[in-house]
Amino acid sequence: EAQVTQNPRYLITVTGKKLTVTCSQNMNHEYMSWYRQDPGLGLRQIYYSMNVEVTDKGDVPEGYKVSRKEKRNFPLILESPSPNQTSLYFCASISGGNTEAFFGQGTRLTVV
Amino acid sequence: GEDVEQSLFLSVREGDSSVINCTYTDSSSTYLYWYKQEPGAGLQLLTYIFSNMDMKQDQRLTVLLNKKDKHLSLRIADTQTGDSAIYFCAESIGTGRRALTFGSGTRLQVQP
Repeated sequence: EAQVTQNPRYLITVTGKKLTVTCSQNMNHEYMSWYRQDPGLGLRQIYYSMNVEVTDKGDVPEGYKVSRKEKRNFPLILESPSPNQTSLYFCASISGGNTEAFFGQGTRLTVV
Repeated sequence: GEDVEQSLFLSVREGDSSVINCTYTDSSSTYLYWYKQEPGAGLQLLTYIFSNMDMKQDQRLTVLLNKKDKHLSLRIADTQTGDSAIYFCAESIGTGRRALTFGSGTRLQVQP
């Protein structure tokens, strides 16, 4: 079954405490992306990766890092989280030709 | 630049038709998509249309594309309470950074 798995689903953390949200896909897609969803703003792209060791900034990259050491995994790293990073985060894996994006279930992050 | 706009809210009665509208600005879009997000879940692809098509029908769903006006619509016939969700319009301009650009989402509320 085609799947994108994110963990954790829910996370409450304190300002400044480093955290990582994991994302894994089983479809052998080259393209993966991280989005954040905020009310009235839709999905905004944070970072994307077009292949292993190839990553680049999206529209709202500040405060985030990513890595792509292997094709299936694309973790999102918040080195020093701040309250304005409280949001719902989605990882997506996109098929060749951009015909379909497969989304994870989302990670709801609260930074206090 | 790329921008996708949608109205934020639509309310209909069960059994009526729903029409959700979207405008986009990038004339080089290759595919246009409708995604559905149910509460607590990630986005799922509902349907998509290639940019050289005017219309696509899939059971209760009809997608209309007006390239001249850069307007996309999704019509849901015989709307059911299970159709209540947030619907996202998205465009793709091919490979690269902006594999997908999303609108802000339209929340569809179906009243019994």
